[in-house]
Amino acid sequence: EIVMTQSPATLSLSPGERATLSCRASQSVTSSFLSWYQQKPGQAPRLLIYGASTRATGIPARFSGSGSGTDFTLTISSLQPEDSAVYYCQQDNSLPPTFGGGTRVEIK
Amino acid sequence: QVQLQESGPGLVKPSETLSLTCTVSGESLNNAYWAWIRQPAGKGLDYIGRIYSSGSLYYNPSLKSRVTMSIDMSKNRFSLEMSSVTAADTAVYFCAHYKQYCSGGNCFRYFDLWGRGTLVTVSP
Repeated sequence: EIVMTQSPATLSLSPGERATLSCRASQSVTSSFLSWYQQKPGQAPRLLIYGASTRATGIPARFSGSGSGTDFTLTISSLQPEDSAVYYCQQDNSLPPTFGGGTRVEIK
Repeated sequence: QVQLQESGPGLVKPSETLSLTCTVSGESLNNAYWAWIRQPAGKGLDYIGRIYSSGSLYYNPSLKSRVTMSIDMSKNRFSLEMSSVTAADTAVYFCAHYKQYCSGGNCFRYFDLWGRGTLVTVSP
């Protein structure tokens, strides 16, 4: 199965700063099969980005995704207090679908 | 508004069978894929498997020998059974809608709707 590795494990930034989250796949992933999810404590994951770069319905423009092959990035251009959460990448290029271990974003 | 709601026992004894149901409101189960994903406390997300409205199945090979999924179109719900559970199966279990489609020469696959999750603890 494809292993998804996310870095850093934790990111601690101030409001207004830019957050850059990395996701690396153990094998090449077609961009259209790469998604990002946000999970807040006690809640279900919420789809943020699919197709590596397409924002899901209702997702603010400060969230953007990029990348191809084995390296993908989620960028939050200007952090807001409500962005405090764990972010997961997920591949659906080959079975079984797999998730990264997550990056925790903390707002100072 | 589409909603998914998991239900089932919160406590299961070791070696017994875990049984969960996901009831979908606001949308028919027809012509769609429905999935189960779990999350041990403080850990990441693990894919369990999915079922299509026709009954077509895919299980994660790591759990395949213990997992059974089914779908009840008349009640608009789908179910998960996991046999011979151990403490390692203690987790929050989520049901989700798995969307896949093709448009403009590109195909996409992702989990766009999730239930709130239900905690299942395996303990004597």
